[in-house]
Amino acid sequence: AQKITQTQPGMFVQEKEAVTLDCTYDTSDPSYGLFWYKQPSSGEMIFLIYQGSYDQQNATEGRYSLNFQKARKSANLVISASQLGDSAMYFCAMREGGGYNKLIFGAGTRLAVHP
Amino acid sequence: ETGVTQSPTHLIKTRGQQVTLRCSSQSGHNTVSWYQQALGQGPQFIFQYYREEENGRGNFPPRFSGLQFPNYSSELNVNALELDDSALYLCASSLRGDYGYTFGSGTRLTVV
Repeated sequence: AQKITQTQPGMFVQEKEAVTLDCTYDTSDPSYGLFWYKQPSSGEMIFLIYQGSYDQQNATEGRYSLNFQKARKSANLVISASQLGDSAMYFCAMREGGGYNKLIFGAGTRLAVHP
Repeated sequence: ETGVTQSPTHLIKTRGQQVTLRCSSQSGHNTVSWYQQALGQGPQFIFQYYREEENGRGNFPPRFSGLQFPNYSSELNVNALELDDSALYLCASSLRGDYGYTFGSGTRLTVV
């Protein structure tokens, strides 16, 4: 069965430092996509980064990079140069290939950035 | 281009009542999905609509139903509300076949 596991309920980091948020996934579908979203207290899910299962290189978007290790089924998010505004909940999600666009989310990691 | 708008932002209902939540999709998107996010948890997929028909459903009872309109906006209806229905309800629009999803800010439903 499809599953996303985020083992870190909470993380903290000093401002300007880098932080890695862990995500492992389970699927038997060879075609899938992995997402990271940020959810501030306002509730909106903000898209950060996407990695397709057939992508050869790790995805990067500004200060966000995805450390994709396919054999280990992990897709960790790396945030470089943390900012106070990065404090939020972070969710890893997966979409399998197929006819419809269902996302499966992990339980999330709460990140606190300290000055 | 406009994003996804959900209404209302907050709602308080009594157990046993019915509620309708609304979502307008992002311009150019033809698919709408609804998610339920209980406090402290990740969102759970409720169902998806494409071309005005339900196109996939998660593990939710039939009292959760929906509609999609010709302009791709959508409604989520929940009948016979239970206390456990208290959650943030998120709507996401997308273009079928594309990986991009745009989420709204959600409707926070409290059932008392």
